[in-house]
Amino acid sequence: AQSVTQLDSQVPVFEEAPVELRCNYSSSVSVYLFWYVQYPNQGLQLLLKYLSGSTLVKGINGFEAEFNKSQTSFHLRKPSVHISDTAEYFCAVKLTGGGNKLTFGTGTQLKVEL
Amino acid sequence: ETGVTQTPRHLVMGMTNKKSLKCEQHLGHNAMYWYKQSAKKPLELMFVYSLEERVENNSVPSRFSPECPNSSHLFLHLHTLQPEDSALYLCASSQEARGALYEQYFGPGTRLTVT
Repeated sequence: AQSVTQLDSQVPVFEEAPVELRCNYSSSVSVYLFWYVQYPNQGLQLLLKYLSGSTLVKGINGFEAEFNKSQTSFHLRKPSVHISDTAEYFCAVKLTGGGNKLTFGTGTQLKVEL
Repeated sequence: ETGVTQTPRHLVMGMTNKKSLKCEQHLGHNAMYWYKQSAKKPLELMFVYSLEERVENNSVPSRFSPECPNSSHLFLHLHTLQPEDSALYLCASSQEARGALYEQYFGPGTRLTVT
């Protein structure tokens, strides 16, 4: 069975600083990878996804993530954060072999401070 | 802006009550999902409906009973809940097709408190 680990439960960062949110996964078969963002009192919104091809994936709001197969990682990065990026970020995996199941990590709370 | 709506947004119920959560999607999707989101835990997939048939039930207690009368509506009927069932319940929808991958769209959730 697949699993997702987000080691950082909270990441504080100052506005305009770069940020990296870490995600590692475990699976015996190939997977699709996703990052979702959840703003306060809202549902989850897709930031970006890796299906195949280029390992560097660009998403909305200036975020990007890099798939590293050897390290089974899919870390999320932004070169300069804004106060409005304060939210919870979830990494998720889905088996490429089909099925509807997304497996989520526990989430990382990004708090951007002035 | 989301094409998935959920009502109510907040619900407080006693352990002996019966209530229902409602989800509606306006995206023309053919699959709908219920997730449970508890603090410090990964989102837990509870139920999946594809083309109005339940295709997944992740060992959810029988006090949770889903209903999918058509491809646009999904309900979660609740009865004799326990305090540990307090959580945010998220609904999602997607378009499922063989050989294709479509993202899941989430609603804002219902914050449930069981007293």
